Amino acid sequence: DVKVTQSSRYLVKRTGEKVFLECVQDMDHENMFWYRQDPGLGLRLIYFSYDVKMKEKGDIPEGYSVSREKKERFSLILESASTNQTSMYLCASSSYEQGGGSNQPQHFGDGTRLSIL
Amino acid sequence: DQQVKQNSPSLSVQEGRISILNCDYTNSMFDYFLWYKKYPAEGPTFLISISSIKDKNEDGRFTVFLNKSAKHLSLHIVPSQPGDSAVYFCAASAFGNNNDMRFGAGTRLTVKP
Repeated sequence: DVKVTQSSRYLVKRTGEKVFLECVQDMDHENMFWYRQDPGLGLRLIYFSYDVKMKEKGDIPEGYSVSREKKERFSLILESASTNQTSMYLCASSSYEQGGGSNQPQHFGDGTRLSIL
Repeated sequence: DQQVKQNSPSLSVQEGRISILNCDYTNSMFDYFLWYKKYPAEGPTFLISISSIKDKNEDGRFTVFLNKSAKHLSLHIVPSQPGDSAVYFCAASAFGNNNDMRFGAGTRLTVKP
């Protein structure tokens, strides 16, 4: 079974702090993703990475950055936390199917509920 | 702009009956559709998918129907069980690019014993 582990289930930080959310997957997946989930909005993609040291912006990258130094680890960084970044953050990973693209489901971690005070 | 819409935020059904969850999409380029289930305090888990070359895919009690002309898909759960109570997300992607997957807002299903 795919295991995607997010380092914290709950996190409380203050406005202006630099916040790190860590995610590790154990299935050697090429692709990793960070989403945030807000009521009435579903899951919105912040950033994704398709390889080590590669990253692509999603729909809402403002105020965030990411780091992927190793294949199994994908970190989300809030450079200067603000109250509108209070949310549930979900990490996901998926494999890439050779020969014509990927239609592989994404596998999610259990989420980090982040509160910015 | 929400390209995937789940217009019912909640649904309540009796145990043993059919649950029908609906999803509409606007992007005609979407060719791969998925349903995820999410329990409280857990991440979404993949449930079932369908590609645009099909109009139906079945897996046990779960069936997904795709109506491309109406840009509509639905998830049928028969028979519904209390353990099915969860939030269900519809998702879609285009051209095999699941790096750009769009999610609906979710429907909370409650199955009453």
